[in-house]
Amino acid sequence: EDQVTQSPEALRLQEGESSSLNCSYTVSGLRGLFWYRQDPGKGPEFLFTLYSAGEEKEKERLKATLTKKESFLHITAPKPEDSATYLCAVQAGGGSQGNLIFGKGTKLSVKP
Amino acid sequence: DAGITQSPRHKVTETGTPVTLRCHQTENHRYMYWYRQDPGHGLRLIHYSYGVKDTDKGEVSDGYSVSRSKTEDFLLTLESATSSQTSVYFCAIRGTGEGTGALHFGNGTRLTVT
Repeated sequence: EDQVTQSPEALRLQEGESSSLNCSYTVSGLRGLFWYRQDPGKGPEFLFTLYSAGEEKEKERLKATLTKKESFLHITAPKPEDSATYLCAVQAGGGSQGNLIFGKGTKLSVKP
Repeated sequence: DAGITQSPRHKVTETGTPVTLRCHQTENHRYMYWYRQDPGHGLRLIHYSYGVKDTDKGEVSDGYSVSRSKTEDFLLTLESATSSQTSVYFCAIRGTGEGTGALHFGNGTRLTVT
């Protein structure tokens, strides 16, 4: 069964304190791994797509990496505005019609 | 902004009543999806569409039906709402170009069934 597990469930950081969020997955034929940011009362906002092990993507203070079993979202020198829930999702091969399987998310709080 | 509008944004209804949620897109995307989001669960797929009048079931489709009579509109119907269907419902479209395969979401409909 395709599965996505995110850890930790919640993370509290001080402004400027770098850290990483983890997304481990089991999937038959990974077609892509996706990171999203979700603010309260809003829909998930797309951040990155990673397609193969060793791939990295960066955007401002965020950097996503991918191995054959997991992905990390590294947050460098976070600011309070980075506070949100971060979701990881995978797209499996086969006849999935583009469906994404989501983890439960990591809620990040950054205190000034 | 993926050009997705969900309506209504909030709804309270009684057990046993039918409810229809609407998703409207402005960018002519072929694939559209309905997900629900509940505390302690990730986003879970209810139904999806791969074209006009072409739909299929997702992981949690029991108690839901969908229709897509034109490209821009994807409707989710709860035939007889139950308290277990209290949730936040998100519509999504499948993107193209940068991030091909990524889904882009609307801002959701919060449904409460009393």
